[in-house]
Amino acid sequence: DAGVIQSPRHEVTEMGQEVTLRCKPISGHNSLFWYRQTMMRGLELLIYFNNNVPIDDSGMPEDRFSAKMPNASFSTLKIQPSEPRDSAVYFCASSSPGQGFGELFFGEGSRLTVL
Amino acid sequence: QKEVEQNSGPLSVPEGAIASLNCTYSDRGSQSFFWYRQYSGKSPELIMFIYSNGDKEDGRFTAQLNKASQYVSLLIRDSQPSDSATYLCAVTNTGGFKTIFGAGTRLFVKA
Repeated sequence: DAGVIQSPRHEVTEMGQEVTLRCKPISGHNSLFWYRQTMMRGLELLIYFNNNVPIDDSGMPEDRFSAKMPNASFSTLKIQPSEPRDSAVYFCASSSPGQGFGELFFGEGSRLTVL
Repeated sequence: QKEVEQNSGPLSVPEGAIASLNCTYSDRGSQSFFWYRQYSGKSPELIMFIYSNGDKEDGRFTAQLNKASQYVSLLIRDSQPSDSATYLCAVTNTGGFKTIFGAGTRLFVKA
């Protein structure tokens, strides 16, 4: 079975540009999580969805960040406008109904560099 | 106080030795505890989970949980160079809907 698929794997953009990161969870998984990882702050939970509904977005740093999950097989994380401090690796993860919320399957990540 | 705390390391052990990784958490209502392994440049991978006090063994890995002390540990027996990675402790919050990760401990196993 395919794992969690993220795109793009690498993104280099200039400050002020819009960035859209994409995620396809594992088929059958009904929970989806967006994390951000930096050396300084480690792995931070930004937002998670259960059955396509956003449950907790308290980790979203500010209004420049938004996330959507229009259906069970697709989610986006958008940053508009982007800033250099948004540079990080963004991971998408999913979990199945039969597993705990902590049993996460991670995608390979999207490495974002904002110049 | 951080929600999940780990010694950042690096922890260096010789091949064949036991590596001991530790983690403390602040939310007394936490019910689920996890260890993830992350190789450099890769994504985290779940290697162990534990829900009850005591020990849980899986191959060379043993997870230990003490809820009264709010302490979780991971023992790696017969450490191999391929075990060299960052080990992330993760805890779900009260209610179990949010998973919080520690900063990770870097482990080096010397051949």
